[in-house]
Amino acid sequence: QVQLVQSGAEVKKPGASLKVSCRASGYTFTNYDINWVRQASGQGLEWMGWMNPSSGNRGYAPKFQGRVTLSTDTSRGTAYLEVSSLVSQDTAVYYCARGRKRFQEPFFYYAMDAWGRGTTVIVSS
Amino acid sequence: SDLTQGPAVSVASGQTVRITCRGDSLRNYYASWFQLKPGQAPKLVFYGKNNRPSGIPDRFSGSSSGDTASLTIRGAQAVDEADYYCHSRDNSDNHFVFGTGTTVTVL
Repeated sequence: QVQLVQSGAEVKKPGASLKVSCRASGYTFTNYDINWVRQASGQGLEWMGWMNPSSGNRGYAPKFQGRVTLSTDTSRGTAYLEVSSLVSQDTAVYYCARGRKRFQEPFFYYAMDAWGRGTTVIVSS
Repeated sequence: SDLTQGPAVSVASGQTVRITCRGDSLRNYYASWFQLKPGQAPKLVFYGKNNRPSGIPDRFSGSSSGDTASLTIRGAQAVDEADYYCHSRDNSDNHFVFGTGTTVTVL
């Protein structure tokens, strides 16, 4: 079955960097994008960015451009999220999700149909 | 572009509830819908024109008209009580965005 297994919880100090991994199994890793989404306590879902492991193409939400880096290691079937210059507002649960864009007349859609369980990140001095 | 949802809605058990999501991008791009319960990862419940993932009950359905996408739950059950988020393209085809979320309470 499709599984996305994320790395464990992290506690970071303000100004530090974070790297979260997401190991995929049960499907062909290069056939789907990997997205990253976060949810701070009491807040809504926030889309951070996506990356296609096959093409290397990626996109970042404007809010995170320059501070977030997405990467993949196709040999390991693993995606990575790096966030630099952490602040307390980065305290959240971070999720990876596989996604794919498809056309269904007359429009496109993008579906994220499998998710990791989330990685809790606490940023505190 | 922003995706705007009503903050909360309540429904009597067994009745029908519709959640809406409004945004300019929805005029030419379908929404996906996610159910979020405390302590769990988001779950895709509907996507595209008329697609329900395997295992999602057929009481969940979606539609789209103009700048508004809708998720309907027919015969709502207590297990459907959750936050629901729409998701679709942002201004650029390279970016996506979630709606503001709607809390559904089943009475």
